Amino acid sequence: AQKVTQAQTEISVVEKEDVTLDCVYETRDTTYYLFWYKQPPSGELVFLIRRNSFDEQNEISGRYSWNFQKSTSSFNFTITASQVVDSAVYFCALSRETSGSRLTFGEGTQLTVNP
Amino acid sequence: ETGVTQTPRHLVMGMTNKKSLKCEQHLGHNAMYWYKQSAKKPLELMFVYSLEERVENNSVPSRFSPECPNSSHLFLHLHTLQPEDSALYLCASSQDRTSGGWNEQFFGPGTRLTVL
Repeated sequence: AQKVTQAQTEISVVEKEDVTLDCVYETRDTTYYLFWYKQPPSGELVFLIRRNSFDEQNEISGRYSWNFQKSTSSFNFTITASQVVDSAVYFCALSRETSGSRLTFGEGTQLTVNP
Repeated sequence: ETGVTQTPRHLVMGMTNKKSLKCEQHLGHNAMYWYKQSAKKPLELMFVYSLEERVENNSVPSRFSPECPNSSHLFLHLHTLQPEDSALYLCASSQDRTSGGWNEQFFGPGTRLTVL
């Protein structure tokens, strides 16, 4: 069985602070995919990143960066110099290579960035 | 229209009503999904359609009835719902990986359903 755990239910920071959202996953598969989605108050989930299990290189996209560590089954997401517009619920998700696009989501982390 | 659209955005219905949620994707994808998002719970996958065939039904009560007439449209027919069915219902689409495409799911804005 697959499982995604986002232990941080809510995080509150002040603008310009860096913040890291944790994601820990469980799977018995050797090939799998990890995702992060952002859900702003409007409700629509916005795709942020997809990584496959063979690629452990960290990735940076503007103020966003992701740290994938297979040894600890973690795929953490860091926002540098946070902004009020970053306030949203962030979901980590996992899919099996053999199940196409079927995603297992974590419970989400509510990030609030205060001015 | 671009991406994934859902109508209506908000719906209030009584337990004896019958209503339908509509989802349309303009991305050329071949798989569509219904999710339920309740407060303080993970997203729950309800149904998956791939190439217009239902391939997954996660023990969803029969008062929810999906329909996928073509690869661009997905409906969720609702009847005799319960107050606990109040939630945000999200539709998503993707290019099924059996066709060799990417497997990111693209989501619509959701329908906020309230059952009185």
